[in-house]
Amino acid sequence: EAQVTQNPRYLITVTGKKLTVTCSQNMNHEYMSWYRQDPGLGLRQIYYSMNVEVTDKGDVPEGYKVSRKEKRNFPLILESPSPNQTSLYFCASSSLINGGELFFGEGSRLTVL
Amino acid sequence: RKEVEQDPGPFNVPEGATVAFNCTYSNSASQSFFWYRQDCRKEPKLLMSVYSSGNEDGRFTAQLNRASQYISLLIRDSKLSDSATYLCVVAPGDYKLSFGAGTTVTVRA
Repeated sequence: EAQVTQNPRYLITVTGKKLTVTCSQNMNHEYMSWYRQDPGLGLRQIYYSMNVEVTDKGDVPEGYKVSRKEKRNFPLILESPSPNQTSLYFCASSSLINGGELFFGEGSRLTVL
Repeated sequence: RKEVEQDPGPFNVPEGATVAFNCTYSNSASQSFFWYRQDCRKEPKLLMSVYSSGNEDGRFTAQLNRASQYISLLIRDSKLSDSATYLCVVAPGDYKLSFGAGTTVTVRA
């Protein structure tokens, strides 16, 4: 089954404790991206990647890091989480840049205390 | 000004009604347009792409107006299952998709 898998789905953590949200897709997509969704703001892009070892900042990259060492994986790293990073995070992948359908993971709800 | 703006709604309509709403975008160079559907904080899923000539998919019709920089979505013969938040997505062509905050539609029996 074609899918994008995120883990963890739910996480409560404390300020400053490094965490990683994993994202994996099994569709051999070149393009992967991370979004955060906050009430009234819609989805905002954090980082995206067009292929292995190619990443670029989205609209709200501050406080986040990503890596793309393998085509299927695109982890999101919060080195020192802060309460303003409490949000619902989605990973997505696509086979075509801008022209293709985005497939989303089920989301990761993160709370930083 | 936000890159993509939507009326948040909610649009409360009875079953069988027609509901329509717009999404405006600020970047006149935008090249691709989409409507996604999101159910109750679940992941968004593509509803339809929006083409320059307008397009229809069953009960759903999407239109693009480049001159006025908006796209629209019309749902005919609304079903209870159409209740969701509809996200407008605009692609300016530099790989950074811009999402609207969504329009909530509630269809009542």
